[in-house]
Amino acid sequence: DTGVSQNPRHKITKRGQNVTFRCDPISEHNRLYWYRQTLGQGPEFLTYFQNEAQLEKSRLLSDRFSAERPKGSFSTLEIQRTEQGDSAMYLCASSLRQYPGQEKLFFGSGTQLSVL
Amino acid sequence: DAKTTQPNSMESNEEEPVHLPCNHSTISGTDYIHWYRQLPSQGPEYVIHGLTSNVNNRMASLAIAEDRKSSTLILHRATLRDAAVYYCILDSGNTPLVFGKGTRLSVIA
Repeated sequence: DTGVSQNPRHKITKRGQNVTFRCDPISEHNRLYWYRQTLGQGPEFLTYFQNEAQLEKSRLLSDRFSAERPKGSFSTLEIQRTEQGDSAMYLCASSLRQYPGQEKLFFGSGTQLSVL
Repeated sequence: DAKTTQPNSMESNEEEPVHLPCNHSTISGTDYIHWYRQLPSQGPEYVIHGLTSNVNNRMASLAIAEDRKSSTLILHRATLRDAAVYYCILDSGNTPLVFGKGTRLSVIA
């Protein structure tokens, strides 16, 4: 068990470019979450999957953001036409959903996005 | 979502106990209390959770008030590696976890 893996660790892009991040969850986990974190703030929820189904998207997630989890394994988060306000740490977490209220999230180390 | 209130920052001396408070006056009967911490340059990590009774694990203890409107995370002997942001979160089981700004704990050698 290598934990939750996120790639790349850092991404620098120019405004207007598209970027894609990948998250590999812990293998037996059925839920996968994406959060975004800016300096001095706690992580903000973006979206989550149960297996391959995307169950909820935050209002923070504009149309430029899309996430997929094909076959319920790894997930990708794509941002189209990046803006400077997209600069943040993008965190992925996975969990094994068993009992409501007792779900433990395991986070990756994140992808730091800088939009120039 | 029920919300929590935590001090922005706290300081502790190394090898002394640390009590991190959290207020959650609007907690509902089925909300679990979770604590996560985030070390510098890492994602958050789970610390402990509980419903009504106090809980202990290898990382920390969780003391829950009888009326459940507040809780305290206890680190029995703070080390420099415990310097982190600590988040107190309510989990209803129906929505994704909502993180606040947490408490930044500094540990002084």
